Amino acid sequence: ELKVEQNPLFLSMQEGKNYTIYCNYSTTSDRLYWYRQDPGKSLESLFVLLSNGAVKQEGRLMASLDTKARLSTLHITAAVHDLSATYFCAVDQFYFGTGTSLTVIP
Amino acid sequence: NAGVTQTPKFQVLKTGQSMTLQCAQDMNHEYMSWYRQDPGMGLRLIHYSVGAGITDQGEVPNGYNVSRSTTEDFPLRLLSAAPSQTSVYFCASSYGPEGGGEKLFFGSGTQLSVL
Repeated sequence: ELKVEQNPLFLSMQEGKNYTIYCNYSTTSDRLYWYRQDPGKSLESLFVLLSNGAVKQEGRLMASLDTKARLSTLHITAAVHDLSATYFCAVDQFYFGTGTSLTVIP
Repeated sequence: NAGVTQTPKFQVLKTGQSMTLQCAQDMNHEYMSWYRQDPGMGLRLIHYSVGAGITDQGEVPNGYNVSRSTTEDFPLRLLSAAPSQTSVYFCASSYGPEGGGEKLFFGSGTQLSVL
């Protein structure tokens, strides 16, 4: 059974600070996805990582994939309030982590 | 393009009632899938389809049925609703492996309460 674990589950950070969300998974895979969900809304795709060493960046967010360690990270640089949301990683398209609820405090 | 359209947005059922959640996409996606989202549990896969006429079970299929008679539609049927099926349900679609990435496009969700 494929297990996908995210940590932390909850993250409260000050504006301007940096932080990293971790996504560990239990089986071999080179397909890793990151999504964002705003409260009461649906999910939207952020990043698609399809190979070992893949790195994608969009604004203050950067995602990377290490397939040998079965680990993906979502790094937040100089957080702003607009980044407050829940972030999910997903493996092999269909299998999601429990999510990380991020709150950025002014 | 409308993307992925889910109906209804809200539904209240009594225990034992049946209903169908509708999902349609207009992007000619091969893959479609259903998830439920419960607090602290993330999204859990109920059923998925890799093409018309092909469906398979996900992590939590019990109590749900699906069919895929066309590329566009992928309805989810609750056979006999139970309070444990109270949840937010999301439908999603994506290209197949040749589409390059398979990121999911989500519908707006259905808030279901079973009393």
